[in-house]
Amino acid sequence: GNSVTQMEGPVTLSEEAFLTINCTYTATGYPSLFWYVQYPGEGLQLLLKATKADDKGSNKGFEATYRKETTSFHLEKGSVQVSDSAVYFCALSESGNDYKLSFGAGTTVTVRA
Amino acid sequence: NAGVTQTPKFQVLKTGQSMTLQCAQDMNHNSMYWYRQDPGMGLRLIYYSASEGTTDKGEVPNGYNVSRLNKREFSLRLESAAPSQTSVYFCASSGRGIPEAFFGQGTRLTVV
Repeated sequence: GNSVTQMEGPVTLSEEAFLTINCTYTATGYPSLFWYVQYPGEGLQLLLKATKADDKGSNKGFEATYRKETTSFHLEKGSVQVSDSAVYFCALSESGNDYKLSFGAGTTVTVRA
Repeated sequence: NAGVTQTPKFQVLKTGQSMTLQCAQDMNHNSMYWYRQDPGMGLRLIYYSASEGTTDKGEVPNGYNVSRLNKREFSLRLESAAPSQTSVYFCASSGRGIPEAFFGQGTRLTVV
């Protein structure tokens, strides 16, 4: 079956630091990959996505590249802000699986001023 | 544009009580999903509906039932709540051929 493994947290950073959250996956077919973000007290929002190998998703200064050879989709941001404090989830879905999402455990990121 | 709307936002139940969580989407999506979020476990799929008139079990369906009332609405019912069902519940929807899902704000349920 499908599964997602992401870096455990919590992660605490200072403002303007570099952020990386590792994510690897196992899938039976050719999944689409996502990063969702959950701000305190809110639901999940799509942060970025990539639907095929070598695609790069980007949004709000965050980037992730779909690496089929290493089955990875690591999230990066070059200079974090306090407002980036949130829980980040890596996820995948497949068309042959009714687009059901499989999630990683989530990584809590706290950015200090 | 409301997107996915869930009610209620918060609920406290006593063990053995029943309740229904409501979800509605206004994006004309075919597929709808119910997930639960527990610390350290990410989100796990309870039930989903790939199209109006169909429902299927997800990873953790025990203790739950669902109804796809029409294309817009997908409800989740707890017939006899247990403390193990204390969780945050999220409804989501996705369109035909669109791989990403859109989520509601969540329902925080506590069973005492």
